[in-house]
Amino acid sequence: DAGITQSPRHKVTETGTPVTLRCHQTENHRYMYWYRQDPGHGLRLIHYSYGVKDTDKGEVSDGYSVSRSKTEDFLLTLESATSSQTSVYFCAISEAGRTTQETQYFGPGTRLLVL
Amino acid sequence: QKEVEQDPGPLSVPEGAIVSLNCTYSNSAFQYFMWYRQYSRKGPELLMYTYSSGNKEDGRFTAQVDKSSKYISLFIRDSQPSDSATYLCAMSGKGAQKLVFGQGTRLTINP
Repeated sequence: DAGITQSPRHKVTETGTPVTLRCHQTENHRYMYWYRQDPGHGLRLIHYSYGVKDTDKGEVSDGYSVSRSKTEDFLLTLESATSSQTSVYFCAISEAGRTTQETQYFGPGTRLLVL
Repeated sequence: QKEVEQDPGPLSVPEGAIVSLNCTYSNSAFQYFMWYRQYSRKGPELLMYTYSSGNKEDGRFTAQVDKSSKYISLFIRDSQPSDSATYLCAMSGKGAQKLVFGQGTRLTINP
């Protein structure tokens, strides 16, 4: 998984609880992404980062926030989890400045169940 | 209409068959095209990467891009049960920081 780890790998939580997912990379890649994957919707971008402290929204960012204080770590926070946020969350990384910049490499995923 | 359309399947074929997976897209600015393979309960892994139009071959896999028709394909020759997975197409424009994914096609190769 291209030097990408996600933690936790599985989590069960209750509605209204804050949840933080962590993505850690050892590749020193500039770009990091958070996706959610749901049946019938494929992969949908939540937020992404193009550098330390530089982040931007994706297509399904409502209810989620992110932070990146170090190159290697990208955190996704659900401020108050809802059942609609039950999903599989994937982190991805990408290089910058090369022809394969657009290629992304994915982590193993985090399965989140919100009861 | 979605920017990238991919038939979700499922697609089931016998071992040894030639498999054709396809995506259509609407954004003429797309120049970079990828195919990812995702096994059950795993993250997507990059399978093929193609820039602009043309074909690219890697073992049993061939990626084909037809920009004039806004259509990309992935062919799998001599398909094996280990090829059973979900295949996602993805694409982006030059300098883009984001990929646009298809919905994914679930493929099963039957022994």
